[in-house]
Amino acid sequence: ETGVTQTPRHLVMGMTNKKSLKCEQHLGHNAMYWYKQSAKKPLELMFVYNFKEQTENNSVPSRFSPECPNSSHLFLHLHTLQPEDSALYLCASSQDEGTLREQFFGPGTRLTVL
Amino acid sequence: AQSVSQHNHHVILSEAASLELGCNYSYGGTVNLFWYVQYPGQHLQLLLKYFSGDPLVKGIKGFEAEFIKSKFSFNLRKPSVQWSDTAEYFCAVNGVGDSNDYKLSFGAGTTVTVRA
Repeated sequence: ETGVTQTPRHLVMGMTNKKSLKCEQHLGHNAMYWYKQSAKKPLELMFVYNFKEQTENNSVPSRFSPECPNSSHLFLHLHTLQPEDSALYLCASSQDEGTLREQFFGPGTRLTVL
Repeated sequence: AQSVSQHNHHVILSEAASLELGCNYSYGGTVNLFWYVQYPGQHLQLLLKYFSGDPLVKGIKGFEAEFIKSKFSFNLRKPSVQWSDTAEYFCAVNGVGDSNDYKLSFGAGTTVTVRA
C-alpha cells in the first residue's frame, strides 16, 4: 500500500459514455500526476498538478479532462473516448515537482472502451 | 528531452539464476535514475534510485543497480532470483536542471518470468 488509491479499479465504457476516474493520496504530497500505461509501451505522462495548479498537459486530447480540487484528490473526466484509449491509467503523487522527489503510484484503473 | 531504452522485452529464467536487466538513457546532463517494479496485479513500486554519490546503488529485495555515466547506463542486477521476483521492471530517468526536470521518462519495461 503506497498511500495512493484509485477508483474504480476496472471500467468498461462505450464511446458515448461519460465517466470519471478518481485518485486520492494520503501522503501529504503536493504534486499529482496522471499516466497512461499501454502494453509494451513506456508510461506516458498526461497531466501534472502542483499545489492544485495544472503545470503540464502533455498534448492530451480534450476528451480527457483533469480536475484537481485539492492537493489530495485528482480526477480524470472521460468523454467520447476511442477504443485506442483502452489502457491502464495510473495516478502518482510526489512531495512536489522537485527533481529529488520520487513518485508514488496508485494501483491504476484498467479502462476498456468498446 | 530524455529517452530510456530497455534492451530486453521478456526474460525467462530459473530460480537461483542471476538476473541483469539493461537500461540506457539519452540525456547529456545530470540525471536521477530509478528502477520501478510492478508485480502481477499490484501497483508500481520503487526498487531503488540514484541521485548522486556511490554509483552502485542497493535497493529492496536484494536488487542493486550500477550507474555508468560514460555508458549512459543503469543496469539492474540480482545475484539469485526467486519465483516471487516474477514481475515487470521499469527503468526511469529525469534530467536535473532541464526545464522539464520533474518529468520521469520511462522505458517500455521488461517482463521477468522466474520458473520454480
